[in-house]
Amino acid sequence: GQNIDQPTEMTATEGAIVQINCTYQTSGFNGLFWYQQHAGEAPTFLSYNVLDGLEEKGRFSSFLSRSKGYSYLLLKELQMKDSASYLCAVRDLNTDKLIFGTGTRLQVFP
Amino acid sequence: GAVVSQHPSWVICKSGTSVKIECRSLDFQATTMFWYRQFPKQSLMLMATSNEGSKATYEQGVEKDKFLINHASLTLSTLTVTSAHPEDSSFYICSAGIPPRDPTEAFFGQGTRLTVV
Repeated sequence: GQNIDQPTEMTATEGAIVQINCTYQTSGFNGLFWYQQHAGEAPTFLSYNVLDGLEEKGRFSSFLSRSKGYSYLLLKELQMKDSASYLCAVRDLNTDKLIFGTGTRLQVFP
Repeated sequence: GAVVSQHPSWVICKSGTSVKIECRSLDFQATTMFWYRQFPKQSLMLMATSNEGSKATYEQGVEKDKFLINHASLTLSTLTVTSAHPEDSSFYICSAGIPPRDPTEAFFGQGTRLTVV
């Protein structure tokens, strides 16, 4: 089976940096995704990691350690529009299914 | 880029009626599509995997007779919520991968907000 954990809620200040952690246990791993989701909307793809290390894309970076079953999403220079839910998802090697974590609701304050 | 279109974006129906939700891949062929359900303030829960030309596979705890899935072509999968009840009110989202062109990404439809009254 699979188990994916994230903090439920986080808060941060505009302009700051925030790190959202995700830990996972899976029987077959084929990549980890991060998505952003605003209320009432479909998720938006942010990043994908399949090998260990850091992937940087503008203000967003994502890190993966497969041996530790651990990933984080780093958001820099936070803006008010970054207030959203951030979903960590793991793709199953055998079935190609995307299994989502609990999601982290981030609130950015002025 | 690849586009997945989901219709309708919202629907209100009476208890006991059935509702059909469509998920289309507009510029690519998808042999596999996935259906998710999301309750307020919760994450996406995988309901079933829709396979073109064969029966869908359902996740544990999802009633296959209540949530009928049909994947008759490489560009269309449908989810029918039969005999809907208020507890079925939720946000339903489909997704489709695009192997082998872009196996790294799953593309989501816009989602359907179902309200059963």
